[in-house]
Order: sequence, then structure tokens, then C-alpha cells
Amino acid sequence: GENVEQHPSTLSVQEGDSAVIKCTYSDSASNYFPWYKQELGKRPQLIIDIRSNVGEKKDQRIAVTLNKTAKHFSLHITETQPEDSAVYFCAASKRDDKIIFGKGTRLHILP
Amino acid sequence: SQTIHQWPATLVQPVGSPLSLECTVEGTSNPNLYWYRQAAGRGLQLLFYSVGIGQISSEVPQNLSASRPQDRQFILSSKKLLLSDSGFYLCAWTVAVSRHNEQFFGPGTRLTVL
Repeated sequence: GENVEQHPSTLSVQEGDSAVIKCTYSDSASNYFPWYKQELGKRPQLIIDIRSNVGEKKDQRIAVTLNKTAKHFSLHITETQPEDSAVYFCAASKRDDKIIFGKGTRLHILP
Repeated sequence: SQTIHQWPATLVQPVGSPLSLECTVEGTSNPNLYWYRQAAGRGLQLLFYSVGIGQISSEVPQNLSASRPQDRQFILSSKKLLLSDSGFYLCAWTVAVSRHNEQFFGPGTRLTVL
């Protein structure tokens, strides 16, 4: 079955700098890669996703990239702000199959 | 638009007591439904998922069970809670048949077993 590895587990960046979280997946049939943000005590919220027919997708300060050949995908946050502090989960799935999550990255934005 | 409800929001139960958590989805038909547990500071552990009424798949052997008595209702139960059952329980749904797999989470139930 699918296995998703996520790195780093913890990341601290200075406010205004960029943050990058990386994930790998094992099943080449996976074609959907969402990213979730979970603030303390809240539910995970879908913030951006990418499908295997696209290499990059951007939404304001957030971008995701996908390398199907290497089975890597990444989340990039530019100009980080205090409200970006949260746990971020990557995930992968095939059509009509359950989503497999990474273990999460705790992002700290330092003042 | 679709909405997912969970209750109760918080629950404190003694060890050995029973448990029933409920999840309902509005605004969609025949969703896939999921129960996750999240221990403090940890990741998302998939417990059960259901693709239809009465159809339950268990991911992890444990003292919990799930049922889906109606299309948009998903229930998580236990006959006797353990201390290790404490955590944040999240229900989630996806559209059953679609090229899109977006999954959305309910607000969660925070369970403390004492």
C-alpha cells in the first residue's frame, strides 16, 4: 500500500523567511496530493492540493510542487507570518481510495 | 454546501465506561466516511472507514467499533474505554465517486479517559 514520508518533523523559520516541507510517496498510481494545516486544538483544514497532471500550483503565499518521476512533492510558504505557525500534513491518494497522511511538520514562525 | 457535525465536542469518561461518538454529514449523498484519532502532539491515525451503509473497514485492531446506520451518519463506539483511548477524534468525509478526492474534517471530539 501507499506510504507517505514527511520531513522535517519540526521546522522553525524567522518571520518573513520561506518555509519548505517535503514529502515522498511510494505508490506510483497515486494522483492526488493534498496539504492540510492544523492549528492548535482545531481540525485539519485543506489549504492546497495538486493532481498528477500538474507540476506546480500556487495560491498567494503558498505553492506546491510535484515531481512524479521522483515521487516527491513539497509545500512552499513564502513571506511567513505568525499565523502560519501550525502543524502541516501532506497526503497522497489514488482515485476512489483512502488518503494516506504523512506524520506532520510542526512549523514555528519566530518573531 | 456540505457540512459535517460531530458531538459531543468534549468528553471526560472514566476507564471502563462505554463510548458513543456521532458524526453526521449534510448536503451530500453516499459519502465515504472516516474516523481518525489523534493523540496529543501526534499524527492522524485512521481507525475506520465506510463506503456505504453497513460497510465498515477497520484499519487498526483495538477496543473500538464503528457503525453506519444511515447514509450520512457514522458512529464510533466502545464497550469499555482504556486510558490509551484518550485523544482527539475526527470524523471526515469525501465524495464517494469522483475524480476529486478532497477530504474534509469535522470539528472533532476531545476525549479524556481518566
